[in-house]
Amino acid sequence: EIVLTQSPATLSLSPGERATLSCRASQSVGTYLAWFQQRPGQAPRLLIYLASNRATGIPARFSGSGSGTDFTLTISSLEPEDFAVYYCQQRNDWPLTFGGGTKVEIK
Amino acid sequence: EVQLVESGGGLVQPGGSLRLSCAASGFTFSNHWMSWVRQAPGKGLEWVADIKPDGTEGVYVDSVKGRFTISRDNAKNSVYLQMNSLRAEDTAVYYCARDEFRAAYPWGQGTLVTVSS
Repeated sequence: EIVLTQSPATLSLSPGERATLSCRASQSVGTYLAWFQQRPGQAPRLLIYLASNRATGIPARFSGSGSGTDFTLTISSLEPEDFAVYYCQQRNDWPLTFGGGTKVEIK
Repeated sequence: EVQLVESGGGLVQPGGSLRLSCAASGFTFSNHWMSWVRQAPGKGLEWVADIKPDGTEGVYVDSVKGRFTISRDNAKNSVYLQMNSLRAEDTAVYYCARDEFRAAYPWGQGTLVTVSS
């Protein structure tokens, strides 16, 4: 099973600041990695697919990078609606796995 | 507009059964892998099962193998999750999702399953 480790668990930032979230895989997943945002009480929403491609309707302040075992989600300038929990997921091999999540909270 | 709507959740006793449904619209359902993902209260996301576009193959997380069965009816644009021998640890919100570009997109709103006596 591929284990995804997200860091940090919690990120305390102010609106307008840059957020950098990490996802590390226990073995290579190529570029078969996605990022999701989940706001309280809502279903997850796809932000990034295939490591670096923004999903439809996702603002340009969200960007993804990486390949193999190390991936990064960057939010260039935090908006109030960006304070949420973020998950990465690998779709390279079954069982599909998610990281434990990073909560981006208002400082 | 692509839409997924889950139904069938509820309260069930340990050892009981429940069948979840997910109705899809707005896309060519028979072209896509479909997934079920769950989220226990206050916890993270856990992938549960995938099914091939033609319905001939399902893949499961180990913790549900032999108890859950994923199926689909492409004529009805629906995917199902038959859950048997339910345990307290199966309590979660269950989401269905379409596979698009090797990612879950979009997600339904979820249906809550509570396993308790």
